[in-house]
Amino acid sequence: GAGVSQSPRYKVTKRGQDVALRCDPISGHVSLYWYRQALGQGPEFLTYFNYEAQQDKSGLPNDRFSAERPEGSISTLTIQRTEQRDSAMYRCASRLGRQGAEQYFGPGTRLTVT
Amino acid sequence: AQTVTQSQPEMSVQEAETVTLSCTYDTSENNYYLFWYKQPPSRQMILVIRQEAYKQQNATENRFSVNFQKAAKSFSLKISDSQLGDTAMYFCASIPGYGQNFVFGPGTRLSVLP
Repeated sequence: GAGVSQSPRYKVTKRGQDVALRCDPISGHVSLYWYRQALGQGPEFLTYFNYEAQQDKSGLPNDRFSAERPEGSISTLTIQRTEQRDSAMYRCASRLGRQGAEQYFGPGTRLTVT
Repeated sequence: AQTVTQSQPEMSVQEAETVTLSCTYDTSENNYYLFWYKQPPSRQMILVIRQEAYKQQNATENRFSVNFQKAAKSFSLKISDSQLGDTAMYFCASIPGYGQNFVFGPGTRLSVLP
């Protein structure tokens, strides 16, 4: 079946603009995660959802970052008033709700803020 | 809180040889799960192997196996008969049994040399 998809794959934006990054999880996956990954480093947790409920947003760096998953499927990560330090790979993952289930990652969106 | 440590930032191995990547973790949970993910130059995140903490038997997937030492909180990955396609970043990760938050280590960059 289809894996996790993300769009756009690449996004270049000017400082101060808002961006919206989309994640389409594997069908039937309950949990959806957002990570940020700098080059050569491990994924840094941002937030996650079970169905449409945002369970933990403790990893969001500041209030310019927000995420939603209104129907329990597709999710959008929004960054308002982007700054150069926001440049990174933003990665989405989904998993089944059962205990210990592994995450399946999307290809990521590479965001560059100029 | 969980933490995951990978003490080897970079390693190299000759093709067809065996290499072991180290991972240690810290958790107060008795029930948890451990994972190794591979990230090749394409930057896709690929699950390599999964281990349930309540199982004493070490997980094996073809050329990949783990040495899980629960008392020592160690979870090393052994790659046998290394292939050029094994060149990648390798990330160790853990999650509590009833938890949802994955914690990733900083990664080990493995180069397989011809």
